[in-house]
Amino acid sequence: DQQVKQNSPSLSVQEGRISILNCDYTNSMFDYFLWYKKYPAEGPTFLISISSIKDKNEDGRFTVFLNKSAKHLSLHIVPSQPGDSAVYFCAASLDSSNTGKLIFGQGTTLQVKP
Amino acid sequence: DAGVTQSPTHLIKTRGQQVTLRCSPISGHKSVSWYQQVLGQGPQFIFQYYEKEERGRGNFPDRFSARQFPNYSSELNVNALLLGDSALYLCASSISGGVTEAFFGQGTRLTVV
Repeated sequence: DQQVKQNSPSLSVQEGRISILNCDYTNSMFDYFLWYKKYPAEGPTFLISISSIKDKNEDGRFTVFLNKSAKHLSLHIVPSQPGDSAVYFCAASLDSSNTGKLIFGQGTTLQVKP
Repeated sequence: DAGVTQSPTHLIKTRGQQVTLRCSPISGHKSVSWYQQVLGQGPQFIFQYYEKEERGRGNFPDRFSARQFPNYSSELNVNALLLGDSALYLCASSISGGVTEAFFGQGTRLTVV
C-alpha cells in the first residue's frame, strides 16, 4: 500500500526553465510534508517542507504547494540549474512534532540540461 | 560540524549471516531513525529511537533489531540475511524527533550474496 506516490520516474528540463515535481498521497491524516534531494552516493538532503495548515511555502528558488482536497503537493524550482539534477523524494509525516518516521515516495529523477 | 556518520560505507555478506550497521548522529541530536532503500524506490522506515527508547517501528520482520547507546549513537542489526536485504541503509538524526530537522547520513550499501 503506497501511501505517498510520485508517478513520474523522471523529468528533463532546460536550464533556466521551471521544474515541477509532483506527489500524491492517500492518507488524509498526514500533517507535514517534506521534499528531499539525493545525489548518487550521498544521503538525502532536506530541501523544503510544508505544514498541512498551509498551502504554500517558499524558500529561494524552491516553492512547495499543497492541495489538501486533491491530496497533492508539488515542488517548483525556478530557475532550474544543472546542479539541481538529482533524485527528488516527497515524504510525509503523521506527526511532525513527535516522530522521526517519514513515509517516502518512489522518487523522481530530475535532469536539468545546460 | 560533523554530520551524521555511518559505518561501514559498503559491506558484502553471505545469506544467513548477521550484520551490524553503525550510526553516529549530529552532536546534540537525541533521535536516530533507520531506513532501508532498495534500488528504484524511496527509503522505507525501519526504526526510530529517541533517548535510547524505541519510538517507532516499521513493517519489518523480527530479524531486524536496533538499539541506541547513552551517547545517542545507534546500531542496526539484521540476522539471517536474505538476498532481499540487499539495499542502502540510511540513518537520520534529529534534535527532538521532529521530522523538520532530520539529517541523513551517506548510508551503508549492503550486498547479500
